[in-house]
Amino acid sequence: DTEVTQTPKHLVMGMTNKKSLKCEQHMGHRAMYWYKQKAKKPPELMFVYSYEKLSINESVPSRFSPECPNSSLLNLHLHALQPEDSALYLCASSHPLTDTQYFGPGTRLTVL
Amino acid sequence: KNQVEQSPQSLIILEGKNCTLQCNYTVSPFSNLRWYKQDTGRGPVSLTIMTFSENTKSNGRYTATLDADTKQSSLHITASQLSDSASYICVVSGRGSTLGRLYFGRGTQLTVWP
Repeated sequence: DTEVTQTPKHLVMGMTNKKSLKCEQHMGHRAMYWYKQKAKKPPELMFVYSYEKLSINESVPSRFSPECPNSSLLNLHLHALQPEDSALYLCASSHPLTDTQYFGPGTRLTVL
Repeated sequence: KNQVEQSPQSLIILEGKNCTLQCNYTVSPFSNLRWYKQDTGRGPVSLTIMTFSENTKSNGRYTATLDADTKQSSLHITASQLSDSASYICVVSGRGSTLGRLYFGRGTQLTVWP
């Protein structure tokens, strides 16, 4: 299995909602990443997990809360988001000894 | 400052024609350079990866070149197809950089017309 899967594909939520994005990979990768991408812009790194521990937090607002329950799963919990948080959220994974990142298809998030 | 610049910003070509996309970077020390293809609303897909010692790497109709001395790379697409319409992103990794820190270009938006 050489792919990263993300669910849901699309998500529409209000500013008072709580929702979660899910990412899964079965390539044995021990590093997993969350990126945010606005239209016509490159992806922006949000979080990096290495061996299920948070290693990088790019000063992301606390309304985004990552979680890595095991080596194959990565979640992003969303609460009290703002309309400007609407974007494509990409998950990626890599083997820790190299840094070739494999990206998932993304979740298109719209905050009303 | 570590930066990756791509040109042109957008490009329109006719089906069957060739094109070349450019990437200049200032990331130092350099580890590797990747070209990704990203369809609208989808995640990026890796096309090629090149390290310091590699000058050329091919993947089907895609050929990437790297000049580590001038810090330039190009992606050449031959016999373009409608499905090549996408954003092509140049991504550079620095040697010894913190895991996960990739430097992304802003991409070249390629449109192939029939």
